[in-house]
Amino acid sequence: EAGVVQSPRYKIIEKKQPVAFWCNPISGHNTLYWYLQNLGQGPELLIRYENEEAVDDSQLPKDRFSAERLKGVDSTLKIQPAELGDSAVYLCASSEVVTGELFFGEGSRLTVL
Amino acid sequence: GENVEQHPSTLSVQEGDSAVIKCTYSDSASNYFPWYKQELGKRPQLIIDIRSNVGEKKDQRIAVTLNKTAKHFSLHITETQPEDSAVYFCAARLFSYDKVIFGPGTSLSVIP
Repeated sequence: EAGVVQSPRYKIIEKKQPVAFWCNPISGHNTLYWYLQNLGQGPELLIRYENEEAVDDSQLPKDRFSAERLKGVDSTLKIQPAELGDSAVYLCASSEVVTGELFFGEGSRLTVL
Repeated sequence: GENVEQHPSTLSVQEGDSAVIKCTYSDSASNYFPWYKQELGKRPQLIIDIRSNVGEKKDQRIAVTLNKTAKHFSLHITETQPEDSAVYFCAARLFSYDKVIFGPGTSLSVIP
């Protein structure tokens, strides 16, 4: 069974440019999470989806970040415009109802120059 | 909201010794406490978890204990091996459908 797939794995952009990250969760997982992980720190929740509904986006900087999960499957996280402080790893995770265990993707490492 | 603290931030042990990592959480209604291991450049992976109706859980060399009254939970690794070297994150979740909040992590180094 395929795990959580994210792309791109690495992205280098100049500040003020836009960037988008894509996530394909494990089949059948209704809950999808986007986390931000800075170097040496724990994952910080940006947004959580239950199916296609964003049920917790309180930590998402809405002035520059946006996310969508069309048809309750794949999700896209966008940053526009990117700032130097956005350099981090963006982790996508999914979980199913019974156990609630989070399965993470490999992450998308963003470097903003 | 929930807040998770974790100590120590770094831990070095000799191969074969035990390692203990401790976490505290703020919301007494939290009922699920997973532990994740993250090797350098890789994704976090679940190594063990415990639910609030259980006080202790073991899986080979790994064990987790939970003290609901004190809002503490701990990870115990016995007979440590070099491949145990990684960053370990504790986490807490309020309900089955709520968000998972992570601690800041503990960098464990096992010295051969």
